[in-house]
Amino acid sequence: EPEVTQTPSHQVTQMGQEVILRCVPISNHLYFYWYRQILGQKVEFLVSFYNNEISEKSEIFDDQFSVERPDGSNFTLKIRSTKLEDSAMYFCASSEWTGEETQYFGPGTRLLVL
Amino acid sequence: SQQGEEDPQALSIQEGENATMNCSYKTSINNLQWYRQNSGRGLVHLILIRSNEREKHSGRLRVTLDTSKKSSSLLITASRAADTASYFCATAAMYSGGGADGLTFGKGTHLIIQP
Repeated sequence: EPEVTQTPSHQVTQMGQEVILRCVPISNHLYFYWYRQILGQKVEFLVSFYNNEISEKSEIFDDQFSVERPDGSNFTLKIRSTKLEDSAMYFCASSEWTGEETQYFGPGTRLLVL
Repeated sequence: SQQGEEDPQALSIQEGENATMNCSYKTSINNLQWYRQNSGRGLVHLILIRSNEREKHSGRLRVTLDTSKKSSSLLITASRAADTASYFCATAAMYSGGGADGLTFGKGTHLIIQP
């Protein structure tokens, strides 16, 4: 069964460093999403992406974040200058359509900022 | 406002018993989805119920949706130790004609099945 994959599974970085989290959505899906889950808290929506541009973004998704689909399969989240509070599990998801359809989540990347 | 709030926060039952979790939300929705998360792992999609549906079944899962009360319930019948996990409801907002809205998750119910 097709699934969303994410790399790396874990990443440790120093505060102020840039990180890039990678995702490969399900191949025939058109909508892509990033979420984060700070330890012990809710899963929070960051951004959605469709047709090579950001579709919607939450207030969390500020200027330090960016997303890109550099080729036909990968979808990346870049955090430009990491802060301690960026430590969280980051989930990528994809869906065939928006709003009406199931979003399938990847296994997540656990980011630790020291 | 809080959206997708589950209760109870934690539930511990004996294997073989049924587990019921509830979810409430505040805004109009397109659909409501239930996910499972094993400790520190990814989110596994369980079931999606659309706003025009009232009940849906999938294996041992039964989901109900009451849009007048803005609430949903997830019933797991004949629970197994492997059902131990956190369960989240997530709502997709009514389509605004804008873009791809993300899901709004609740805090989850932590379910423990005692063998």
